[in-house]
Amino acid sequence: QQQVKQSPQSLIVQKGGISIINCAYENTAFDYFPWYQQFPGKGPALLIAIRPDVSEKKEGRFTISFNKSAKQFSLHIMDSQPGDSATYFCAASITSGTYKYIFGTGTRLKVLA
Amino acid sequence: DVKVTQSSRYLVKRTGEKVFLECVQDMDHENMFWYRQDPGLGLRLIYFSYDVKMKEKGDIPEGYSVSREKKERFSLILESASTNQTSMYLCASSMEGANYNEQFFGPGTRLTVL
Repeated sequence: QQQVKQSPQSLIVQKGGISIINCAYENTAFDYFPWYQQFPGKGPALLIAIRPDVSEKKEGRFTISFNKSAKQFSLHIMDSQPGDSATYFCAASITSGTYKYIFGTGTRLKVLA
Repeated sequence: DVKVTQSSRYLVKRTGEKVFLECVQDMDHENMFWYRQDPGLGLRLIYFSYDVKMKEKGDIPEGYSVSREKKERFSLILESASTNQTSMYLCASSMEGANYNEQFFGPGTRLTVL
């Protein structure tokens, strides 16, 4: 029940295309869903995050879509660029009383020039 | 600029050796974490600490221990390294109550156990 399932494991997209990464969770107590971006040789860094009281959050070319009833959330990267090539991790957290994130298994994105 | 530093980027050790991985943060964060990252398995939490001298087991604590004697420093210890502990180790820190506990990561230590 503590797992966060992420798919696909890898993704290849043409420059200018839309990249979509999906995550699903079971624990309805999760109330914070961040996405982290990791470039080779670097640690992950927060990209964008959402709370379950909204269905969508957009920051530039990055959008999180959240479906509370289906217990799923996804990251959409519009107009994907070669510089977006990285590994993306979704995560889930219960913000009251704990500091832990449960991370998905990661998606390696490659955007072709 | 927030910073989490890890003592080594690459480390090679022999089976049975005692290994110390050190992490330092300069943000006065209360919480610190150790993860290991393996292909296809994502980030798995080994141990975390929410205060000096406090520690809690994560999801995969077996074979590891930790030490937090000062707020800014969190050490991961492999008492007797084994080949299945070959991995990328990531340290992170977060401030209690701020921005939903956003975690800031160090660059990682790639440990190879021969």
